[in-house]
Amino acid sequence: GAVVSQHPSRVICKSGTSVKIECRSLDFQATTMFWYRQFPKQSLMLMATSNEGSKATYEQGVEKDKFLINHASLTLSTLTVTSAHPEDSSFYICSARSERGVNEQFFGPGTRLTVL
Amino acid sequence: SQQGEEDPQALSIQEGENATMNCSYKTSINNLQWYRQNSGRGLVHLILIRSNEREKHSGRLRVTLDTSKKSSSLLITASRAADTASYFCATDADSWGKLQFGAGTQVVVTP
Repeated sequence: GAVVSQHPSRVICKSGTSVKIECRSLDFQATTMFWYRQFPKQSLMLMATSNEGSKATYEQGVEKDKFLINHASLTLSTLTVTSAHPEDSSFYICSARSERGVNEQFFGPGTRLTVL
Repeated sequence: SQQGEEDPQALSIQEGENATMNCSYKTSINNLQWYRQNSGRGLVHLILIRSNEREKHSGRLRVTLDTSKKSSSLLITASRAADTASYFCATDADSWGKLQFGAGTQVVVTP
């Protein structure tokens, strides 16, 4: 149990286009989901916290108009990178927190975004 | 922002040896967690230690926590080639469960 999926796993797009990444909790309801980005050989940086039915809370320095987050249901959160540029190329990882407890957090496999 | 620092940044050992890595953090925490990440993959949760615990074991893993020094260590005993990965500590410091990750230690275990 406690599986989180992400789709797509890899995406290559042209500069200026928008890309949507989905994060789904497959067998549990996630009241809270988190989005991270990771540059090569670096750690995970928290981008935003997404709660079902409310606006996402963004970390300092993360542009909310650039990275649109929608948490429309208890099993799905989406991250849209708008007008992507090469510097947005990164590994994006989501995690989902189960209703069972604050400490239960499960990570998706990640999405590799390459912007040409 | 990054909460933790980890050392060493990289560790190269042979199979059968033990691997120890350390994590330091800056603020009070609810708990500290260790994760493993294979290259280009997602994170695998290894172990969670609560702020009122000092030591925890799980299989070949041993984690310690010293809240007075704001530090934790992860020991992998009798390492295997399959343990080759990056290891991250992450602290949980608020009521939302937001995790702040350390910089990570890249471990290479050679057969």
